Amino acid sequence: DTGVSQDPRHKITKRGQNVTFRCDPISEHNRLYWYRQTLGQGPEFLTYFQNEAQLEKSRLLSDRFSAERPRGSVSTLTIQRTQQEDSAVYLCASSLTLVSEQFFGPGTRLTVL
Amino acid sequence: KQEVTQIPAALSVPEGENLVLNCSFTDSAIYNLQWFRQDPGKGLTSLLLIQSSQREQTSGRLNASLDKSSGRSTLYIAASQPGDSATYLCAVATGNQFYFGTGTSLTVIP
Repeated sequence: DTGVSQDPRHKITKRGQNVTFRCDPISEHNRLYWYRQTLGQGPEFLTYFQNEAQLEKSRLLSDRFSAERPRGSVSTLTIQRTQQEDSAVYLCASSLTLVSEQFFGPGTRLTVL
Repeated sequence: KQEVTQIPAALSVPEGENLVLNCSFTDSAIYNLQWFRQDPGKGLTSLLLIQSSQREQTSGRLNASLDKSSGRSTLYIAASQPGDSATYLCAVATGNQFYFGTGTSLTVIP
């Protein structure tokens, strides 16, 4: 297994456009997390999946954000009508259980112009 | 809500020194605590995971301790090397979420 992968690595978009990011977790991991990280800050939790079920979303998460994991493996995060404050690095992580080690992907850097 | 604090925010040491990074959290009802390193422009690399029932974990030159009752963890790095230069983050698992600190930026000077 090559670990958690994410694509694209970089995305530049104009304000108001929709963007979608993909995360491919470690194959046997049934928990998948999305985080957002801005400069100088630690990652901020956005949402997580147990298999295909989205079990928790941050209250800070705008309704412009949606995530899915339809077959319990690959996940996508979509941001609609992007705004400049959405510029950040979006990180994906996976783990076997809640108390297991989390493994992170390299992240997708989003720049909204 | 769980609050995680890391002190100091930045640290610069000469090569070969031993050093300690600190992490504190407000809610002691945690499942575990994980230490990560992050290199500029990269994702997070897991260093050590301590379960709530454990007091410490060791990996090579790294030793992490956990005192759940006082809401504290330390990461000890022995004989620091320039390659240890990175940002070190701690994260606690509470409820269904991981809460991260803002990190300590470490520079090891050759």
